Amino acid sequence: NAGVTQTPKFQVLKTGQSMTLQCAQDMNHEYMSWYRQDPGMGLRLIHYSVGAGITDQGEVPNGYNVSRSTTEDFPLRLLSAAPSQTSVYFCASSYRGGGYGYTFGSGTRLTVV
Amino acid sequence: RKEVEQDPGPFNVPEGATVAFNCTYSNSASQSFFWYRQDCRKEPKLLMSVYSSGNEDGRFTAQLNRASQYISLLIRDSKLSDSATYLCVVDRGAAGNKLTFGGGTRVLVKP
Repeated sequence: NAGVTQTPKFQVLKTGQSMTLQCAQDMNHEYMSWYRQDPGMGLRLIHYSVGAGITDQGEVPNGYNVSRSTTEDFPLRLLSAAPSQTSVYFCASSYRGGGYGYTFGSGTRLTVV
Repeated sequence: RKEVEQDPGPFNVPEGATVAFNCTYSNSASQSFFWYRQDCRKEPKLLMSVYSSGNEDGRFTAQLNRASQYISLLIRDSKLSDSATYLCVVDRGAAGNKLTFGGGTRVLVKP
């Protein structure tokens, strides 16, 4: 049982490049979310999904796209990388949110130069 | 004002001592409350959910005060392994899907 798997663990991008951060969970969780963590800011919600085919924006969605074609996968796409997107990105999943809590992946450390 | 506020610390705690800290939240409609633990450069891990009646898990006790809009975490008999950043998390989504994180309280347990 792998839990939540994120790839890659580290990535350096040039400004303007695009890429996809991968997230997969094997716990049959309905809810999945993407967060970014910046020093002094805490984790902030980028996008979330409450089931396959359903996604919505969080508090900092600009510059990112998501899709949820299967229960297991929730990729995050950076459309045109900017230095402001340098951050640590965490994917998380939950059975149904609420009191169940979330399980986080180990994170992707992204640097945009 | 941030939705979830925490004292960043650090709280320097002698091994074996008790430490307690609070977190305040601004959205009175918040439904669920949690404490997560985050070690340096690692992912957050769920420590415990916080229930209205308060709850205990071993050496950890969490309390919720809805009237004053704060939650607390108390750690008894602190261990060196308790050194971490403790994140206060509030779920403001009616469907349980919008976690808001505090900035974290750093705890350093020293011999």
